[in-house]
Amino acid sequence: AQSVAQPEDQVNVAEGNPLTVKCTYSVSGNPYLFWYVQYPNRGLQFLLKYITGDNLVKGSYGFEAEFNKSQTSFHLKKPSALVSDSALYFCAVRDGWGANSKLTFGKGITLSVRP
Amino acid sequence: GAVVSQHPSWVICKSGTSVKIECRSLDFQATTMFWYRQFPKQSLMLMATSNEGSKATYEQGVEKDKFLINHASLTLSTLTVTSAHPEDSSFYICSARDAGNTIYFGEGSWLTVV
Repeated sequence: AQSVAQPEDQVNVAEGNPLTVKCTYSVSGNPYLFWYVQYPNRGLQFLLKYITGDNLVKGSYGFEAEFNKSQTSFHLKKPSALVSDSALYFCAVRDGWGANSKLTFGKGITLSVRP
Repeated sequence: GAVVSQHPSWVICKSGTSVKIECRSLDFQATTMFWYRQFPKQSLMLMATSNEGSKATYEQGVEKDKFLINHASLTLSTLTVTSAHPEDSSFYICSARDAGNTIYFGEGSWLTVV
């Protein structure tokens, strides 16, 4: 069975500074990796995904993530944080791309960007 | 992009009553929809996988008689919480898979049982 680990509960950064939100995964086959953001009382918004190809994936709102197969990691990064980036971030792994595949989520990390 | 709509966004019901939450794929057909439950500041817990025209597949520990799922058409799945109790209060999120196997999420539905 696949799993996702998000080791931190909260990440605090100052506006304008770079941010990194960590994620490691475990999956038996090829990993399909995702990052989602959730604002208070809202559903999930898709940020980016890694399916195949370049290890550095660029997504919405200036976010990017780097796939590292040897470290089984998919950390989310942004060069310059904004206060509006403050939200709950979920890393997820999918056990394939077929009709029976499922998404498994990490526990989520609260990102807090101070002015 | 594809849109998944959930209704209602917020619902309050009395203990012992049943409440239905709808999940619609607005501009694509979804043979598979998923229902999740989320407690405040926690992760999403997959409750069940809903396949059009067949019975839903429930995850271990989820009471299928309490959380009734119906996927009557390619654009609509419903979750009915039967005989609701305060401990059923939660944020329920659905997602839908399109023909290309991309998954899209709804905005979620807050259920409060009083």
